[in-house]
Amino acid sequence: ETGVTQSPTHLIKTRGQQVTLRCSSQSGHNTVSWYQQALGQGPQFIFQYYREEENGRGNFPPRFSGLQFPNYSSELNVNALELDDSALYLCASSHDRGDNEQFFGPGTRLTVL
Amino acid sequence: GEDVEQSLFLSVREGDSSVINCTYTDSSSTYLYWYKQEPGAGLQLLTYIFSNMDMKQDQRLTVLLNKKDKHLSLRIADTQTGDSAIYFCAPDRGSTLGRLYFGRGTQLTVWP
Repeated sequence: ETGVTQSPTHLIKTRGQQVTLRCSSQSGHNTVSWYQQALGQGPQFIFQYYREEENGRGNFPPRFSGLQFPNYSSELNVNALELDDSALYLCASSHDRGDNEQFFGPGTRLTVL
Repeated sequence: GEDVEQSLFLSVREGDSSVINCTYTDSSSTYLYWYKQEPGAGLQLLTYIFSNMDMKQDQRLTVLLNKKDKHLSLRIADTQTGDSAIYFCAPDRGSTLGRLYFGRGTQLTVWP
């Protein structure tokens, strides 16, 4: 039990739609990172937020965006969904940037039809 | 090639030791992590090692780091059936604090 929760657990969308995934970090964790894990692959870094500002981004297009709120919750938004966006989306929180312990949530399984 | 490489599969008998190997490319990695993922679940942090160490022991887990060769290994002593899972090594990107990069992971199967 990492204290990091994500919702929803599963989601089915169709191509072209928009989706919002949510993450609730441990209290006091100022940093949240989002990862995409396609089937059979390792997680790929999407972006990181620190104190509500984006603090680094992986190789993902601008239709992937995020928000972080003062209450230690955060969102990942994906516009214009494509079939290849089908994946497990994981958020990970840590107390601070570069903190040597990142705790992952259970993930949201997104299926795009 | 991949930034992190691991063997895809490893099978061991219950009670034996398991050794999972990993090679990576970013020489500026500060922390190197091992995560465990069970089917349908998120990632569980097992242990990590700081880049200026060459060994860390944590109960049944031993991590070895050869920074010169960029090689990391995880040894699990007295492997149990409950250890069956996918194991990921995840160095951080030295250029971006807290950003981890993963390979495809090693599927460990433990036979009774």
